[in-house]
Amino acid sequence: KAGVTQTPRYLIKTRGQQVTLSCSPISGHRSVSWYQQTPGQGLQFLFEYFSETQRNKGNFPGRFSGRQFSNSRSEMNVSTLELGDSALYLCASRTYNEQFFGPGTRLTVL
Amino acid sequence: GENVGLHLPTLSVQEGDNSIINCAYSNSASDYFIWYKQESGKGPQFIIDIRSNMDKRQGQRVTVLLNKTVKHLSLQIAATQPGDSAVYFCAESYTNTGNQFYFGTGTSLTVIP
Repeated sequence: KAGVTQTPRYLIKTRGQQVTLSCSPISGHRSVSWYQQTPGQGLQFLFEYFSETQRNKGNFPGRFSGRQFSNSRSEMNVSTLELGDSALYLCASRTYNEQFFGPGTRLTVL
Repeated sequence: GENVGLHLPTLSVQEGDNSIINCAYSNSASDYFIWYKQESGKGPQFIIDIRSNMDKRQGQRVTVLLNKTVKHLSLQIAATQPGDSAVYFCAESYTNTGNQFYFGTGTSLTVIP
């Protein structure tokens, strides 16, 4: 089986712009979660989607949003980018328990 | 988020020695745990998991121990190799949050040849 894929792998944006990141889960996985990873902060949970519905949400502002399509692919969007949004954004898909991560999208906000 | 913490931020071991990476968690209701390995520039890689009804689980060169009494999780790596150098995260989840995962900040393992 192919693993979790994320596109693009790298992005450079400027403050105030918006960005959309994409994630394709492992075939058959219906749950997709998004995380933000910054140095020293570990993995911060953004949200989880299951069958096109947001099932869990972390403590991030409303500028961070996501969605899931009928084929389980997911996108996350960040509007009005801030310098502090620079991070590695990780997508993970899972079956009932085991969770597998993609390689991440490295977002740099200038 | 939950207080899933790690005792040591860095760990250095000699090649061939055994490594032990520790993790403390605060929620006694947590019922599922995963250890991940993250190499530079890559996403976290699933290593091994354990459910709360178990105390120990073994994989290939790795063993996870769970002590629910003191809410402690450890990852043991046997015969550590240079390729084991990475950051290791523990993650916990529990059913009443819809299996949402909480992660610690990670332990950086360096294997000295």
